[in-house]
Amino acid sequence: DAKTTQPNSMESNEEEPVHLPCNHSTISGTDYIHWYRQLPSQGPEYVIHGLTSNVNNRMASLAIAEDRKSSTLILHRATLRDAAVYYCILRYSGGSNYKLTFGKGTLLTVNP
Amino acid sequence: GAVVSQHPSRVICKSGTSVKIECRSLDFQATTMFWYRQFPKQSLMLMATSNEGSKATYEQGVEKDKFLINHASLTLSTLTVTSAHPEDSSFYICSAKTGPGEETQYFGPGTRLLVL
Repeated sequence: DAKTTQPNSMESNEEEPVHLPCNHSTISGTDYIHWYRQLPSQGPEYVIHGLTSNVNNRMASLAIAEDRKSSTLILHRATLRDAAVYYCILRYSGGSNYKLTFGKGTLLTVNP
Repeated sequence: GAVVSQHPSRVICKSGTSVKIECRSLDFQATTMFWYRQFPKQSLMLMATSNEGSKATYEQGVEKDKFLINHASLTLSTLTVTSAHPEDSSFYICSAKTGPGEETQYFGPGTRLLVL
């Protein structure tokens, strides 16, 4: 599986935008880029995913570099409830294997 | 959105006993369910993948005779930790997805297991 690299931690202030980076220099053309987040003592929550084009949903935006070697998860206005560990995961889209391999993720702290 | 529940949310058991954890998809049919384990301060580790009506596929290093997985229906998968030992104490999390082509996995809230 192609690997991802994320900063261990980031801080943000409430109501400000947050840009969470993810490097995936060995990504293949058939890898989806997924983002999940995990609040303390809870199961992960799906945030967003994309393949080549930028994606927007009600939770966040995903900006994918033109060469696909990196991506950025954008939270437009951070709230205290956004404090969580954010995981950037690559999933090979070929075949029927849908398993996700979680790395260490980025711990986002949101200051009031 | 799609909801996945787990039961129980936490369980304490004695060493040597077996514990069953249920994972249910409440408002959708899950053709595939996944079981993860998470130790404190660590990331999730995939234990196995189960498809409805067939045997689970276990990840390398996960003992299939110790962690029994049953996916008997499209809305229920169970994980049984047999002859539990203190080192099996962990946070067990399941996830579910719908049919082929659906990328999103929906995760349960997790079950915290403490083996004394």
